[in-house]
Amino acid sequence: EPEVTQTPSHQVTQMGQEVILRCVPISNHLYFYWYRQILGQKVEFLVSFYNNEISEKSEIFDDQFSVERPDGSNFTLKIRSTKLEDSAMYFCASSERTFYQPQHFGDGTRLSIL
Amino acid sequence: AQSVAQPEDQVNVAEGNPLTVKCTYSVSGNPYLFWYVQYPNRGLQFLLKYITGDNLVKGSYGFEAEFNKSQTSFHLKKPSALVSDSALYFCAVRDMEVSGKLIFGQGTTLQVKP
Repeated sequence: EPEVTQTPSHQVTQMGQEVILRCVPISNHLYFYWYRQILGQKVEFLVSFYNNEISEKSEIFDDQFSVERPDGSNFTLKIRSTKLEDSAMYFCASSERTFYQPQHFGDGTRLSIL
Repeated sequence: AQSVAQPEDQVNVAEGNPLTVKCTYSVSGNPYLFWYVQYPNRGLQFLLKYITGDNLVKGSYGFEAEFNKSQTSFHLKKPSALVSDSALYFCAVRDMEVSGKLIFGQGTTLQVKP
């Protein structure tokens, strides 16, 4: 069964540094998402991406965040200048043409900001 | 605004007993509801969904969920729990208006004891 893959599984970065989290969604999926889960808290929506543009973003997704789908297969989340509070598990998800289908999640990248 | 609530942080059951994990929702319009399971250090795995039709929906690993419109609930059930069912369970509603993002409940830890 096709899977969403995320790399790296764990990223440790100094505060203020840039970080790029990478995702390869399922190949025939059209909708792409990033979520995050701070330890012990619920999963929060960050941003959705469709047809090569952001379709919705949350309040968390400020100017320090950006997303790209540079080559038709990868989907990246960039944080320009990381803060301590960015430490979390980041999940990529994708879904098919219709919202009636479930989103499929990767195993996540654990981001630790020192 | 759409929201989901899972009133129990943890549910404990004995192996072989039936289990219920509770979820209530608040949406304007028709709800599109999903259950996901998260094992340690893994992403969220889709279990089942309710879009329309029968109020009892069946999903993966023997799980089912009962949709109750009058009580705005979507409880997850299984007739006979297994130790391997121990995990974190999330109920979610899908935003069908804009981006298809998922709005998650807080999560419920299911502990099945032998």
